[in-house]
Amino acid sequence: KAGVTQTPRYLIKTRGQQVTLSCSPISGHRSVSWYQQTPGQGLQFLFEYFSETQRNKGNFPGRFSGRQFSNSRSEMNVSTLELGDSALYLCASSLGGGLQETQYFGPGTRLLVL
Amino acid sequence: GEDVEQSLFLSVREGDSSVINCTYTDSSSTYLYWYKQEPGAGLQLLTYIFSNMDMKQDQRLTVLLNKKDKHLSLRIADTQTGDSAIYFCAETSYNQGGKLIFGQGTELSVKP
Repeated sequence: KAGVTQTPRYLIKTRGQQVTLSCSPISGHRSVSWYQQTPGQGLQFLFEYFSETQRNKGNFPGRFSGRQFSNSRSEMNVSTLELGDSALYLCASSLGGGLQETQYFGPGTRLLVL
Repeated sequence: GEDVEQSLFLSVREGDSSVINCTYTDSSSTYLYWYKQEPGAGLQLLTYIFSNMDMKQDQRLTVLLNKKDKHLSLRIADTQTGDSAIYFCAETSYNQGGKLIFGQGTELSVKP
């Protein structure tokens, strides 16, 4: 079974631009979560989607948004990019997002904001 | 808020055992995980333990949970150079709605 895939793998943007990252979960998984990884803050939860609905949200500004499609694929968008948004963005999928369900991570999208 | 702490570095010789430690503050933690991250890669799930368990063994990996002290450890037997990576401890609970709270990661260096 194919794992979680994320596209693109690398991105370079400039301040003020916006960016969209994509995540395709493992087949059959309906829950998708997004995490930001930076050297300073470590791994932080952004949001979780299940059945096209945002079910949980972390402490990030409104510039960070996401959505999920009917095929469970998810996108996250960051508007008005800031230098501090440079990070590895990781997507994780699980069957239903239940507590007992393991989250499987993709390889991440590395975003550099100049 | 809830917090997970790990030591930042660990260096061992090939063939030795490695023990990576983690402490957490959420008394309602339900599942605790160990993930491995190699350079330039995402997170690979190594193992997990449910909070009503004390120990779990999976091949070279042994997880010990002391719920009273809120302490979790990962022991890697016969550590190999290919085990060099960053190891993250993470916890989740009903209070967190299933989101993972991660430690800062422990960088394991295995010397030949």
